[in-house]
Amino acid sequence: DTGVSQDPRHKITKRGQNVTFRCDPISEHNRLYWYRQTLGQGPEFLTYFQNEAQLEKSRLLSDRFSAERPKGSFSTLEIQRTEQGDSAMYLCASSLAARRSSYEQYFGPGTRLTVT
Amino acid sequence: DQQVKQNSPSLSVQEGRISILNCDYTNSMFDYFLWYKKYPAEGPTFLISISSIKDKNEDGRFTVFLNKSAKHLSLHIVPSQPGDSAVYFCAASAGGGSNYKLTFGKGTLLTVNP
Repeated sequence: DTGVSQDPRHKITKRGQNVTFRCDPISEHNRLYWYRQTLGQGPEFLTYFQNEAQLEKSRLLSDRFSAERPKGSFSTLEIQRTEQGDSAMYLCASSLAARRSSYEQYFGPGTRLTVT
Repeated sequence: DQQVKQNSPSLSVQEGRISILNCDYTNSMFDYFLWYKKYPAEGPTFLISISSIKDKNEDGRFTVFLNKSAKHLSLHIVPSQPGDSAVYFCAASAGGGSNYKLTFGKGTLLTVNP
């Protein structure tokens, strides 16, 4: 069990560019979440996958954001035409759909995005 | 509309004393509560949790208390250690009906002084 990993850890991009982040969840976890954290705030929910199906998207997730989880393994989060307001820490978390542990999510180290 | 509130942005305690971190919530649908600890440049680390059917859960130096009628929970750390210095987030979930997604407070920065 190597934990949740995210790549890259840091990304600096210019406004208008596209960026893509990757998340590798804990191997047996079938649930995967993306959150966004800005300075002075707690993480805010963006989207949720159960296996390969994207079952919920927050209203925070504008049309410029898209997420995938092909084959129910790793996930990618893409932001098109980045804006300065997209600057944040993007966190991925995974959990196991099991009776006693469904609520507990395990987070990766995050990807820090800076849009200049 | 903040559904989970941590009203103390920071807390400073002496090593060996008790740290008490507080959290209030407004959504009656929340049925499970979690505390996460976060160091700079790292993701949140799960610490301890409590179901709404309980009023106390203990794990080593960490105890979480839940007062459902007051919609209030607290995390007690006894004794506090310098390594406990971090940001602590309170989180809540409304269960399967909400896909178990977590709603977080803004966090409390705990500093434990040697």
